[in-house]
Amino acid sequence: GAVVSQHPSWVICKSGTSVKIECRSLDFQATTMFWYRQFPKQSLMLMATSNEGSKATYEQGVEKDKFLINHASLTLSTLTVTSAHPEDSSFYICSARYTGRGSNQPQHFGDGTRLSIL
Amino acid sequence: GESVGLHLPTLSVQEGDNSIINCAYSNSASDYFIWYKQESGKGPQFIIDIRSNMDKRQGQRVTVLLNKTVKHLSLQIAATQPGDSAVYFCADALMDSSYKLIFGSGTRLLVRP
Repeated sequence: GAVVSQHPSWVICKSGTSVKIECRSLDFQATTMFWYRQFPKQSLMLMATSNEGSKATYEQGVEKDKFLINHASLTLSTLTVTSAHPEDSSFYICSARYTGRGSNQPQHFGDGTRLSIL
Repeated sequence: GESVGLHLPTLSVQEGDNSIINCAYSNSASDYFIWYKQESGKGPQFIIDIRSNMDKRQGQRVTVLLNKTVKHLSLQIAATQPGDSAVYFCADALMDSSYKLIFGSGTRLLVRP
């Protein structure tokens, strides 16, 4: 239980393109989802906290107009990288907050999306 | 955790030996700590957690030690196996409504056969 699915797992696109990444909680409802960014050989850096039905809370230094987050339902949050450029190339990982029984983990993670901008 | 630098420290151990991975955190108010394992191209996988009212917790082949005085966390893996090879991250959080995690810089564990 408590599975988080991320799609796509890998995307390559041209500079200037906008890319949407989906994060779904498959068997539970998540009022809160988190978006992380990870560069090679580095740690996960929290980008924003996404709350269902309200605006996302962005961490300091993260451009909200560049990284659009939508959390329209209890099982889906999307991250759109607008007008992506090569410096946006990274590994993007989402997680979902789980508050139900059967899990002692506060966040369940997806398997990430590798974004490469040419 | 403290996420600094561009180079992952590496711990190389012989298969069957015990491994100890260390982590420092900076927020003295943090009251919840987790260790994650991350394999290449995948998301973090939960290993074990500990709350600030404890200083030791054991799981299957893993033990987490917490020293709040010096803000230090360690993960001990007994009888390390090749499948344990991965990058390990600690994370700390506040058990408020968000459980927002702050990840440490990570350690790569290489298990020699």
